Amino acid sequence: DGGITQSPKYLFRKEGQNVTLSCEQNLNHDAMYWYRQDPGQGLRLIYYSQIVNDFQKGDIAEGYSVSREKKESFPLTVTSAQKNPTAFYLCASSYRDRVGTQYFGPGTRLTVL
Amino acid sequence: DQQVKQNSPSLSVQEGRISILNCDYTNSMFDYFLWYKKYPAEGPTFLISISSIKDKNEDGRFTVFLNKSAKHLSLHIVPSQPGDSAVYFCAASRPGGTSYGKLTFGQGTILTVHP
Repeated sequence: DGGITQSPKYLFRKEGQNVTLSCEQNLNHDAMYWYRQDPGQGLRLIYYSQIVNDFQKGDIAEGYSVSREKKESFPLTVTSAQKNPTAFYLCASSYRDRVGTQYFGPGTRLTVL
Repeated sequence: DQQVKQNSPSLSVQEGRISILNCDYTNSMFDYFLWYKKYPAEGPTFLISISSIKDKNEDGRFTVFLNKSAKHLSLHIVPSQPGDSAVYFCAASRPGGTSYGKLTFGQGTILTVHP
């Protein structure tokens, strides 16, 4: 069964701590993406990667970091520098040579206490 | 700068009637448009897409219309069903370079279909 998995589903963190969100896909997709969703807002792009060992900042990269050491994995670290980290985080993937359609994981709800 | 806008935060429709969700964009470089459906606490799922070389694409109960001159697209759902109740996002993509494959999303419209 091909798909995208994100773990954990719910995550709580104390203010000032870094936390890493997991994203794994077995769809053989080249490109992977991280989005953030806040109430009443659309999906905003944090980082994306079109190929292993390469990634680009999206529209709201400040306070976040990523790595892409394997094609299947694209973990996102929410650092203590992120001012408003409480949000719903979504990971997606797509073929690099096929414009448009991205497939999303189930999301991780991060709450900073 | 919101390049993709869904100006209606919500829409309420009776079961069996038509639902029309609207989306406007400002960047004339966008050449591919998509609609996603999202249930609470889940990831969005792809619904339907349209290339800028077309003005209409149909898939079952779902039809997307594109008006390039007005920079406007709409999603029609006919007939609407209670299971269609969800948040609908439109998204746009532009070709080439590091923007390839990158999607810009609208704010979403909450559709409620009443039985």
